[in-house]
Amino acid sequence: GAVVSQHPSRVICKSGTSVKIECRSLDFQATTMFWYRQFPKQSLMLMATSNEGSKATYEQGVEKDKFLINHASLTLSTLTVTSAHPEDSSFYICSASNRDRPFRGYTFGSGTRLTVV
Amino acid sequence: SQKIEQNSEALNIQEGKTATLTCNYTNYSPAYLQWYRQDPGRGPVFLLLIRENEKEKRKERLKVTFDTTLKQSLFHITASQPADSATYLCALSSYNDMRFGAGTRLTVKP
Repeated sequence: GAVVSQHPSRVICKSGTSVKIECRSLDFQATTMFWYRQFPKQSLMLMATSNEGSKATYEQGVEKDKFLINHASLTLSTLTVTSAHPEDSSFYICSASNRDRPFRGYTFGSGTRLTVV
Repeated sequence: SQKIEQNSEALNIQEGKTATLTCNYTNYSPAYLQWYRQDPGRGPVFLLLIRENEKEKRKERLKVTFDTTLKQSLFHITASQPADSATYLCALSSYNDMRFGAGTRLTVKP
């Protein structure tokens, strides 16, 4: 079945540094990838939608210069949290849609727990 | 603004009973609606998808209904088991857009 690999699963970084999170579709081509963040006991909040080869579309209130998204190929999207601060600590999850199976739901990565100290 | 509401934050039921979760939405015309299961510290796992022109979908012990007039979806788990305990999320999609409800945390007690 469709598998999305997300790395790293956990990362601790110092305030002011940047962190890159990778999201790969392993056995299908992902036309679109979504990036979410989730706070404890809350639902997933969509941050941005990225289409292969084009600029990401950010949700209102999400700083595009802080959360850099690159979707360079049909199997890889990256989210870089730049100049991270403690308030950026959260659970980040990516998902991908399979262009060959558009009505079979989206596949999610296992998430990245980011802690900024 | 668009709003997706899941009926309760938490639902506790006895093993063997049917769990019914509700998802209501406003200011949205989804092409399809999805249900996901999420365990703590993990990404959501897709369960079922139902299109706007479908009334009901089944998969093993799961059943989903979709009423676009009421703007509501019901998600049923029959013969529930403790292993069904998790948070269940409904998600509304319109082609290149997908948004989630806050989720209902289901606990099935033996």
